[in-house]
Amino acid sequence: DVVMTQSPLSLPVTLGQPASISCRSSQSLVYSDGNTYLSWFQQRPGQSPRRLIYKVSNRDSGVPDRFSGSGSGTDFTLKISRVEAEDVGVYYCMQGTHWPPYTFGQGTKLGIK
Amino acid sequence: EVQLVESGGGLVQPGGSLRLSCAASGFTFSSYGINWVRQAPGKGLEWVSYISSGSSTIYYADSVKGRFTISRDNAKSSLYLQMNSLRDEDTAVYYCAKSGAFDIWGQGTMVTVSS
Repeated sequence: DVVMTQSPLSLPVTLGQPASISCRSSQSLVYSDGNTYLSWFQQRPGQSPRRLIYKVSNRDSGVPDRFSGSGSGTDFTLKISRVEAEDVGVYYCMQGTHWPPYTFGQGTKLGIK
Repeated sequence: EVQLVESGGGLVQPGGSLRLSCAASGFTFSSYGINWVRQAPGKGLEWVSYISSGSSTIYYADSVKGRFTISRDNAKSSLYLQMNSLRDEDTAVYYCAKSGAFDIWGQGTMVTVSS
């Protein structure tokens, strides 16, 4: 199974400052069709997960443009350009290239400093 | 509105059974595969099972293989998870999530396995 490793696991950020979360996979996530099936999810306290980014860098509808995804192969990053109070929660990366099983990172808890 | 709504959770003793349901609306349910994902209290997300649009392809996580059965009724736009031989470690919120894209999630239903 592909292991997804996120860092840091806890991320205190000052409002208005940038934040960055790293996600590394144990093998390349490039699929035979040329796509890379790496997604990012946000889970606010008490809520269900919500997809933010798919195929590395594509933002979902309604996701603020302060969120961006980048990376390739085995190394990926989620960046928030200016953290707002509503961004508090846990962020997960997930790979959909080598499935089953789909595998998630451990989660990164973003809080306000 | 595109929506998934889970139900059927509750308290069950170890070794017991429970059947979860997921009702879909706002999209053509019969055209998409659906997943079950769970989250133990205070823990991360764990994929549990997948069923294709026509039920021809089914996968399970090793942790539930042989104990859980996924099924669907496209006429009712509904997904099910029959959970047998439940263990303490199956205690979690269970979510249904649309397709391999995981672009739509339900609100979850809590399953507690405890004596």
